[in-house]
Amino acid sequence: QVTLKESGPTLVKPTQTLTLTCTFSGFSFSTSGVGVGWIRQPPGKALEWLALIYWDDDKWYSPSLKSRLTITKDTSKNQVVLTMTNMDPVDTATYYCARTYYRNQFQYWGQGTLVTVSS
Amino acid sequence: DVVMTQSPLSLPVTLGQPASISCRSSQSLVYSDGNTYLNWFQQRPGQSPRRLIYKVSNRDSGVPDRFSGSGSGTDFTLKISRVEAEDVGVYYCMQGTRSVTFGGGTKVEIK
Repeated sequence: QVTLKESGPTLVKPTQTLTLTCTFSGFSFSTSGVGVGWIRQPPGKALEWLALIYWDDDKWYSPSLKSRLTITKDTSKNQVVLTMTNMDPVDTATYYCARTYYRNQFQYWGQGTLVTVSS
Repeated sequence: DVVMTQSPLSLPVTLGQPASISCRSSQSLVYSDGNTYLNWFQQRPGQSPRRLIYKVSNRDSGVPDRFSGSGSGTDFTLKISRVEAEDVGVYYCMQGTRSVTFGGGTKVEIK
């Protein structure tokens, strides 16, 4: 059974760096083709893809946010970490992680975690 | 960047009637391997998105057969043959051929 769960702060201040962790089970980065991505959704708005990391450490980033994002993985812990610098109130959103298999993207999703950016 | 445009933004539907959502991409979604990486997701109120369709027309496990996907190149459609109350929510298309991009969403509601 594949499960993913996001964790991190619920509140960050403007200009701070956000660090989110996705902890998963039921699959492994030891398997060729496996990847984990991050997607966010501001309240009442559409989904926005942020970043993806694959089993071979190939990394993809949203062009519009690339300068602020870093995605890494810890294969031994079954975790993926996303950092986003210089947070702003417009970054307030529910952040989801989801599993990918090659280009077969986002079949499984976590429950999401709401991050509010406010002073 | 590939832009995904969905229409309509809102779709009021009578229970038991069909519904159709359009998704257009700014570039062809045919990948070099011959596949077209166009997915459809359903997001019910208060829930995480759920993938319904992958590679244009393949239903995910457990997805009712009243959902179907079609299209090619830059034009794609999600159809619900007979809308049920549990189908209320927002539907998104997503391309995975050239990086990843989501459409803006279509809200399906019951008349």
